[in-house]
Amino acid sequence: DVVMTQSPLSLPVTLGQPASISCRSSQSLVHSDGNTYLNWFQQRPGQSPRRLIYKVSNRDSGAPDRFSGSGSGTDFTLKISRVEAEDVGVYYCMQATHWPPTWTFGQGTKVEIK
Amino acid sequence: EVQLVESGGGLIQPGGSLRLSCAASGFTVSSNYMSWVRQAPGKGLEWVSVIYSGGSTYYADSVKGRFTISRDNSKNTLYLQMNSLRAEDTAMYYCAAAMGYYWGQGTLVTVSS
Repeated sequence: DVVMTQSPLSLPVTLGQPASISCRSSQSLVHSDGNTYLNWFQQRPGQSPRRLIYKVSNRDSGAPDRFSGSGSGTDFTLKISRVEAEDVGVYYCMQATHWPPTWTFGQGTKVEIK
Repeated sequence: EVQLVESGGGLIQPGGSLRLSCAASGFTVSSNYMSWVRQAPGKGLEWVSVIYSGGSTYYADSVKGRFTISRDNSKNTLYLQMNSLRAEDTAMYYCAAAMGYYWGQGTLVTVSS
């Protein structure tokens, strides 16, 4: 099975400063159809997960443009250009290329304000 | 507007059974692949099961043989039948759709004597 490894697991950030989260997969996430099914989710305290980015770099409707995704193959990154207070929460990468199982999540990265 | 509303969670003794429901509105369950994802208290997200539009189903190894995913097209509702429940099944259970774009609010399952 594919293993998704995020780093760091805890990320204290200063308001207005950038932040970056890494996600590495144990296998290439390039699907036979040519797409790379790597998504990023935000989970604010007490809330359900919310998808921010799909297929590596496509921002979802409603996701602020300060969030961006990049990467290829096995290495991926979520960047927040300027952290705001509402960005506090846990961020997960998730692969949907290799199945079963259909989805594999990273361990999560907790973003908090310094 | 799409809404997914889970229900059916609660406190259950080890070895017991529960059936979770996920009622969808603004979205057709039978035309999409639907998943269940769970989150143990203070832990990360764990995929549990999926049902594809064609009816194929898959399960995480941790629940295989104990959980059954199904849907009722007439009610536009997704289900998760959970049997032989264990303490380690204690979690918030979410239904999700559209490659995780839509999520419900979750329903809490607590397995304890």
